[in-house]
Amino acid sequence: ETGVTQSPTHLIKTRGQQVTLRCSSQSGHNTVSWYQQALGQGPQFIFQYYREEENGRGNFPPRFSGLQFPNYSSELNVNALELDDSALYLCASSLVGNTEAFFGQGTRLTVV
Amino acid sequence: QQQVKQSPQSLIVQKGGISIINCAYENTAFDYFPWYQQFPGKGPALLIAIRPDVSEKKEGRFTISFNKSAKQFSLHIMDSQPGDSATYFCAARTIGNEKLTFGTGTRLTIIP
Repeated sequence: ETGVTQSPTHLIKTRGQQVTLRCSSQSGHNTVSWYQQALGQGPQFIFQYYREEENGRGNFPPRFSGLQFPNYSSELNVNALELDDSALYLCASSLVGNTEAFFGQGTRLTVV
Repeated sequence: QQQVKQSPQSLIVQKGGISIINCAYENTAFDYFPWYQQFPGKGPALLIAIRPDVSEKKEGRFTISFNKSAKQFSLHIMDSQPGDSATYFCAARTIGNEKLTFGTGTRLTIIP
């Protein structure tokens, strides 16, 4: 186990709704990154948070947003859900400047 | 733009054999290359990683071979076991940038 925990593990939402996913980073890690993994694909970088600020973003629209808290935990928020948002959402924590990133087990989001 | 290309998409190897997965990259700024192992319903787990100043790194049955001039790297799994059956992802990152760029994955099946 990596020490990175995500909640919930599974979630079903209706198109147009909003969703919040949560991540607790590994002890001592100050950077959190979020990835979207569609079925049969590799993870795609959404964004990263460091010192409670967004520090890099992938090719995702503004309806994907996030937060990082003083204890380094993080949230991913997705507004106006679309069917294509159905995926496994992964959180990874790391120590800034350290190359190793450790992933949580993910949250499986299904949009119907 | 896919910056990391991975092959094959799927691979079947007999128990005890050598499994080989290949990746090629385009961005010459990449200088950290990890491999991740992912089991169904789980997040990716860091397996082994290499930096381009070495041509090979070995950890147990897992070896990364790196060819900087060809911009290619590969994962070799020696004495493959049924427990190695999983999806493997190569990835790349620029030091100082926490974003990982993943390949599309290889589903490895080890048969008795």
